[in-house]
Amino acid sequence: NAGVTQTPKFQVLKTGQSMTLQCAQDMNHNSMYWYRQDPGMGLRLIYYSASEGTTDKGEVPNGYNVSRLNKREFSLRLESAAPSQTSVYFCASSSTGTGNEKLFFGSGTQLSVL
Amino acid sequence: DAKTTQPTSMDCAEGRAANLPCNHSTISGNEYVYWYRQIHSQGPQYIIHGLKNNETNEMASLIITEDRKSSTLILPHATLRDTAVYYCIVRVGYGNKLVFGAGTILRVKS
Repeated sequence: NAGVTQTPKFQVLKTGQSMTLQCAQDMNHNSMYWYRQDPGMGLRLIYYSASEGTTDKGEVPNGYNVSRLNKREFSLRLESAAPSQTSVYFCASSSTGTGNEKLFFGSGTQLSVL
Repeated sequence: DAKTTQPTSMDCAEGRAANLPCNHSTISGNEYVYWYRQIHSQGPQYIIHGLKNNETNEMASLIITEDRKSSTLILPHATLRDTAVYYCIVRVGYGNKLVFGAGTILRVKS
């Protein structure tokens, strides 16, 4: 089992460019999440999807959009990248989202916006 | 969502027990306490979680006070590979917002 797979692992963008971060899980989980982590800080929730067909904002949703393409895939899009979006992005999934289960994380995407 | 307070950093001698405290004084009755750790810049790794009772698994033990306002993660025999940032998190019993704080940097020293 691959678990949670994120692509790409590294990306450099110029200000104003757009891109989509891809995330897929093979554990048949219902819930998926996108977090960002800035240097020396904890993770902050950007968006989450409790189940296929639903998405909700987290702590820091501005400047991002998400798509729950199907049960396996949850993508994060930056429409017009800004230097403040330079960060490491983590995707995660969990089985039910009821609060009594654990999150599985991907290995992260390191994004630099120049 | 309840907030958590953890010490910024802690040191532990290799082979000794590491006890990591966490305060969550505003926790609600249906909120679980979760512990994760992050080694270098890898994705966080689940360690353990609990609601009211103390819990133990192959990695660690979780001690939750009776009033549930604080908890302690115990790594019984710390090794150098346990050096990481440890996050104490609470989340709503039925919901999906899992909020991370800054965590505790645990340094295990030989």
